[in-house]
Amino acid sequence: GENVEQHPSTLSVQEGDSAVIKCTYSDSASNYFPWYKQELGKRPQLIIDIRSNVGEKKDQRIAVTLNKTAKHFSLHITETQPEDSAVYFCAASSGWGKLQFGAGTQVVVTP
Amino acid sequence: DAGVIQSPRHEVTEMGQEVTLRCKPISGHNSLFWYRQTMMRGLELLIYFNNNVPIDDSGMPEDRFSAKMPNASFSTLKIQPSEPRDSAVYFCASTREGTTNSPLHFGNGTRLTVT
Repeated sequence: GENVEQHPSTLSVQEGDSAVIKCTYSDSASNYFPWYKQELGKRPQLIIDIRSNVGEKKDQRIAVTLNKTAKHFSLHITETQPEDSAVYFCAASSGWGKLQFGAGTQVVVTP
Repeated sequence: DAGVIQSPRHEVTEMGQEVTLRCKPISGHNSLFWYRQTMMRGLELLIYFNNNVPIDDSGMPEDRFSAKMPNASFSTLKIQPSEPRDSAVYFCASTREGTTNSPLHFGNGTRLTVT
């Protein structure tokens, strides 16, 4: 089955700097790659997703890139703000909406 | 849209007791997923249903866990008997699944504590 690895496990950045989280996946059939943000005590919420026919997608301060050949995808957050502090999860899916999640990255943005 | 609704939000029970978690998916969604989240194991998929039919229950830890989806608007996850190691946050999620993937929406979760 699918295996998703996520790095780093923790990331501390200064407000205004950029944050990058990287994930790799194992199943070449995976074609959907969402990113979820989970604040403390709350549910994971989708922040952006990308499909295999696209190499990059951007939404305001966040962007995702996908390299299908290398089987890796990344989340980029620019101009970080304290409210970006949360745990971020990457995931991969080849169908049925069945997502395999990475282990998560704790992002801390310090003012 | 009320989103995915889970109940209860918190459940504290003693070891050996039966626990039932409930979920109402988003109206019109045809796939429902139960996830468990712990610090040690992260987000684990336990079971998922498509059109009320269980598709994959390979993530269910053991026979003490069972899940049902009697209709398109309701699902339960039952643990009997419960054990302290079952303590976790249990999330239900739903999506409209067709020929292409669609976003998965999570409920607010049930925090289960087994003492």
